[in-house]
Amino acid sequence: GAGVSQSPRYKVAKRGQDVALRCDPISGHVSLFWYQQALGQGPEFLTYFQNEAQLDKSGLPSDRFFAERPEGSVSTLKIQRTQQEDSAVYLCASSLGGAAGGKSDTQYFGPGTRLTVL
Amino acid sequence: DAKTTQPNSMESNEEEPVHLPCNHSTISGTDYIHWYRQLPSQGPEYVIHGLTSNVNNRMASLAIAEDRKSSTLILHRATLRDAAVYYCILRRGSGNTGKLIFGQGTTLQVKP
Repeated sequence: GAGVSQSPRYKVAKRGQDVALRCDPISGHVSLFWYQQALGQGPEFLTYFQNEAQLDKSGLPSDRFFAERPEGSVSTLKIQRTQQEDSAVYLCASSLGGAAGGKSDTQYFGPGTRLTVL
Repeated sequence: DAKTTQPNSMESNEEEPVHLPCNHSTISGTDYIHWYRQLPSQGPEYVIHGLTSNVNNRMASLAIAEDRKSSTLILHRATLRDAAVYYCILRRGSGNTGKLIFGQGTTLQVKP
């Protein structure tokens, strides 16, 4: 079956440009997560959606980062005025249950979008 | 959030068992122990999870110490495709969005 897909797989941006990264979760999955993974590091949590509601955005590093999931399915992570420190792989994950089931609910990850800011 | 400690790297020979340790001395009673792995150039994938009892699935086994302050992921017969970074993660059982807190993980090398 179809897993989590992300597009584009690779994105090169000039410093100061805005970028938009897309995530298509597994159909029917309630929860959606975004993570940022710097080179050689483990992924770091950015934000969490339960359906269309953004319940946790504590990991977003600055107000240049914005995420949305307007219809409770596809999600977009937008980065405004990109900086070199934004260069990383951005991972999206989805899980079947909502926050109440989060204690054991498996997260399924997409392949990530590698963002390089020049 | 409770923290986990793992060795930075381990080596194994192909077709031999691998025991990947994880220490989590500050684990709380409601924390689940999850293992994910990340193959090169891919997103992490779920391996196994448990609470108190040992667990087995088609990928691996999870042995949890009686005091729950440590656990071991066991790959029964390592293959070259098992070369990856393995992450041991604690997930709180309540009051949590379910976000995963990744550490550095253990990089497993498998030699033919």
